[in-house]
Amino acid sequence: SQQGEEDPQALSIQEGENATMNCSYKTSINNLQWYRQNSGRGLVHLILIRSNEREKHSGRLRVTLDTSKKSSSLLITASRAADTASYFCATERTGTASKLTFGTGTRLQVTL
Amino acid sequence: NAGVMQNPRHLVRRRGQEARLRCSPMKGHSHVYWYRQLPEEGLKFMVYLQKENIIDESGMPKERFSAEFPKEGPSILRIQQVVRGDSAAYFCASSPEGMGYTFGSGTRLTVV
Repeated sequence: SQQGEEDPQALSIQEGENATMNCSYKTSINNLQWYRQNSGRGLVHLILIRSNEREKHSGRLRVTLDTSKKSSSLLITASRAADTASYFCATERTGTASKLTFGTGTRLQVTL
Repeated sequence: NAGVMQNPRHLVRRRGQEARLRCSPMKGHSHVYWYRQLPEEGLKFMVYLQKENIIDESGMPKERFSAEFPKEGPSILRIQQVVRGDSAAYFCASSPEGMGYTFGSGTRLTVV
């Protein structure tokens, strides 16, 4: 089955609320990365968390990693309409020379 | 630094024709990756190249698809005798020494 599965598939919230997206994976990893993709556009790298890290912050983003459960979460605080996009987690598996395995993504809709 | 440049942005081909997708990595990046994204799905790894070498092509279909990254010039993803199932967005990413991906905006291939 697929490495890097996001949950939920779709999320709709109001501006100002927090959004939490989860990602599960199946193999050992070097790192896990989160990306954002606006409709019909390329991917924007948001944050990378290494396998020996448990939590990382970047602005309104907070990422956690639990290697024992093979899961990660992305929290966007105080969401804005401009955060509307699809969010993907991607894992760099151990021994795969930087190849990334992407999940199917969470589509986030932030309404005014 | 112009980032990762992909062209064309949109490409329409009739069944049986050839598609050539180009990717110019960021200045100083010697690693190039190609990914394919089908509608409503995450990105799927295709191939990883360094200058004049294919490092990992485990995601490339066995037939009709080829990739190169010559000493001079952009990386090229070539699809011969395209079929409707090849319709997708093709993304290129580059990195220095396999860390810190930067994605291009993609080429959207439509086979009619």
